[in-house]
Amino acid sequence: KAGVTQTPRYLIKTRGQQVTLSCSPISGHRSVSWYQQTPGQGLQFLFEYFSETQRNKGNFPGRFSGRQFSNSRSEMNVSTLELGDSALYLCASSLSPGPETQYFGPGTRLLVL
Amino acid sequence: GDSVTQMEGPVTLSEEAFLTINCTYTATGYPSLFWYVQYPGEGLQLLLKATKADDKGSNKGFEATYRKETTSFHLEKGSVQVSDSAVYFCALRSDYKLSFGAGTTVTVRA
Repeated sequence: KAGVTQTPRYLIKTRGQQVTLSCSPISGHRSVSWYQQTPGQGLQFLFEYFSETQRNKGNFPGRFSGRQFSNSRSEMNVSTLELGDSALYLCASSLSPGPETQYFGPGTRLLVL
Repeated sequence: GDSVTQMEGPVTLSEEAFLTINCTYTATGYPSLFWYVQYPGEGLQLLLKATKADDKGSNKGFEATYRKETTSFHLEKGSVQVSDSAVYFCALRSDYKLSFGAGTTVTVRA
């Protein structure tokens, strides 16, 4: 069974631009979560989607948004990029919400110049 | 809120040495506990998990036991290899999100 895939793997943007990252979950998984990883803050929860609905959101500004499609694929968008948004963005999928095991993709490394 | 505290690194070991990484947690309810491993330039890989008290998770020679009385989930491996060099994250999930420790960098020298 294929794992979680994320595209693109690397991205360079400039301040003020916006970016969209994509995540395809493991087949059959319907819950998708996003995390941001930075050297200073570590791994932080961004949001979780299930059945095309955002169920939970972490403590991030409204510039960070996402959505989930009917096939469970998910996208996250960051508008008006700031230098501090440079990070590894990780997507994780699980069968359902709750204390299910989450499986991670390889991540998208975003550099904001 | 939920939180995880794990041993500060970095940890440097020789091949075949014993590895232990301490992890303690604070959570409401009965969380599931996980160890994830991250190799350079990659995402997180699930190493092992335990879903209830006294469960022992194991994989690739690594073990961890869910200790409710000490709120701990320490990771151990009896004989490490160079290929075990990575960053190890302890995590818990009690509801919708994973809460991670800061990560412990392990370097194994030949």
